[in-house]
Amino acid sequence: NAGVTQTPKFQVLKTGQSMTLQCAQDMNHEYMSWYRQDPGMGLRLIHYSVGAGITDQGEVPNGYNVSRSTTEDFPLRLLSAAPSQTSVYFCASSYRVSQYTDTQYFGPGTRLTVL
Amino acid sequence: AQTVTQSQPEMSVQEAETVTLSCTYDTSESDYYLFWYKQPPSRQMILVIRQEAYKQQNATENRFSVNFQKAAKSFSLKISDSQLGDAAMYFCAYRGNFGNEKLTFGTGTRLTIIP
Repeated sequence: NAGVTQTPKFQVLKTGQSMTLQCAQDMNHEYMSWYRQDPGMGLRLIHYSVGAGITDQGEVPNGYNVSRSTTEDFPLRLLSAAPSQTSVYFCASSYRVSQYTDTQYFGPGTRLTVL
Repeated sequence: AQTVTQSQPEMSVQEAETVTLSCTYDTSESDYYLFWYKQPPSRQMILVIRQEAYKQQNATENRFSVNFQKAAKSFSLKISDSQLGDAAMYFCAYRGNFGNEKLTFGTGTRLTIIP
C-alpha cells in the first residue's frame, strides 16, 4: 500500500512550456484533489474529483486542467506555464461515503519552478 | 464560503512545556469536520488530529488535544510535553459534509521548539 504518490518531486519549466503532474493512489478513494502551497497563503484548492469521470474547479483553477479516467489516477496539466505557477503542488485523496467524510491523505508534493 | 483564520504566524515553546495554537473559522453549515495538519521540513502533510462537529467531546491523540468551541467557531490545538520533533508548520483545516468535501486551510503557524 503506497498511499498517495506524486511524480516528479521537482521540476523546472520555462515560461510557455506545458507539463503534467502525476498523482496516483492505491486506496480506492473516490475523492481526489490538487492543492498549491505558496508562502504565507496556506494550501489552496485547484481542482477536485468525486469519482472517475467527474471533476470540478476549486479556488484557483485558471491555467490548470484535470481529468479522471480511472479511480486511481488524477493528473494535473499545466497548459502554458507562467512564473506565477511557481509553487509546491500537493495531491490528496479520501473515501467519500454518504453521511461520513473521511480524512484526506496527502502525497509528498511536487516543487515546480517556472523561469 | 468557509474561511479559516490562524492569527499566530509563529509560536515558540520550551521543550517539555505546553503550547496552544489558535484557529477560528466561519461557516453556515451545522455538520462539518476540522483538522490539524503538521508539515515538517520534509514538506509532507501529516494529519495530527480531527474533530467532528457533531461530537461534543474534544478529540485527543496522545500529547495532542483540541479545544473545540462550536458556538464560538474556535478550534485550538494543545501540544503537551513539547518535543523537538514537534517543530513544524501547523495548519488548521475545515471540511464540509458529504457533497462539500473541499478542504479549506488556514495560513499556518510555524512552531519552534527551544531546547
